[in-house]
Amino acid sequence: SFELTQPPSVSVSPGQTASITCSGDKLVDKHACWYQQKPGQSPVVVIYKDDKRPSGIPERFSGSRSGNTATLTISGTQAMDEADYYCQAWDSARVFGGGTKLTVL
Amino acid sequence: QVQLVESGGGLVKAGGSLRLSCAASGFTFSNYYMSWMRQAPGKGLEWVSYISASGTTEFYADSVKGRFTISRDNAKNSLYLQMNSLRGEDTAVYYCARDQADMSDPWGQGTLVTVSS
Repeated sequence: SFELTQPPSVSVSPGQTASITCSGDKLVDKHACWYQQKPGQSPVVVIYKDDKRPSGIPERFSGSRSGNTATLTISGTQAMDEADYYCQAWDSARVFGGGTKLTVL
Repeated sequence: QVQLVESGGGLVKAGGSLRLSCAASGFTFSNYYMSWMRQAPGKGLEWVSYISASGTTEFYADSVKGRFTISRDNAKNSLYLQMNSLRGEDTAVYYCARDQADMSDPWGQGTLVTVSS
C-alpha cells in the first residue's frame, strides 16, 4: 500500500483561490479523487479521476495532477466551501490522505 | 434517487461482535463494487473493506484483516460488515459507499459503533 500526504490546514479569504495538495510516492500511476466533508455530514465527491467534476458540483472546484502530486483548486472560494477535504487514490486498497481543514476567513 | 442507509451500530464491549447492514436503493446494486469506510471521532477517513459486484472478491485494510468480514446479498440489495474481536480503536462512524470510476459515491449517513473497555 502507499500513503497520501495533505497539509493539515489551509486558510483563504472569501473570493480568493484555495489550493490543497495531496502527494504520494505512487500517485503518478493512479487517479486521485477528492471529497468534501462538512461537520456532521457524510463525505461528498467534488473531483474524481484527477480532474473530473461530478454533476452538481460547482465549476469553481477543479482538480489537477502532476507527477506524484494532485491538487484541488477552489476558485472564488465562498464561505460555504469551509470544510474538511480528503484526497483518495485507488490501488488494491483504497487510501485516504489525512485531510485538510479549509478555513475561509 | 440513489440511497444508502446503514444500520446495526451501537455500544459493544471490547472483544465482542457486531454486524452492520447497508440497504441500497435507486440503482442496480448487483452492478457495483461496494465499500465500507470509517471515521473515528475527530479523526480522518479510513477505508475498511470493499467487495466486488458479484461478491467473489474482497479486500481489507490491514487494521481489520482477520477480524472483519464483508459480504453482500444482491437479491436483497444489501451490504454487510461482520465485525468480530472488536477493539477500542474500532470506535467510529461506519459508512457504506458505492464504488465507481475510481471514486466512492454516494455515501450513506453512517452508523456509530462504540467499543467500550
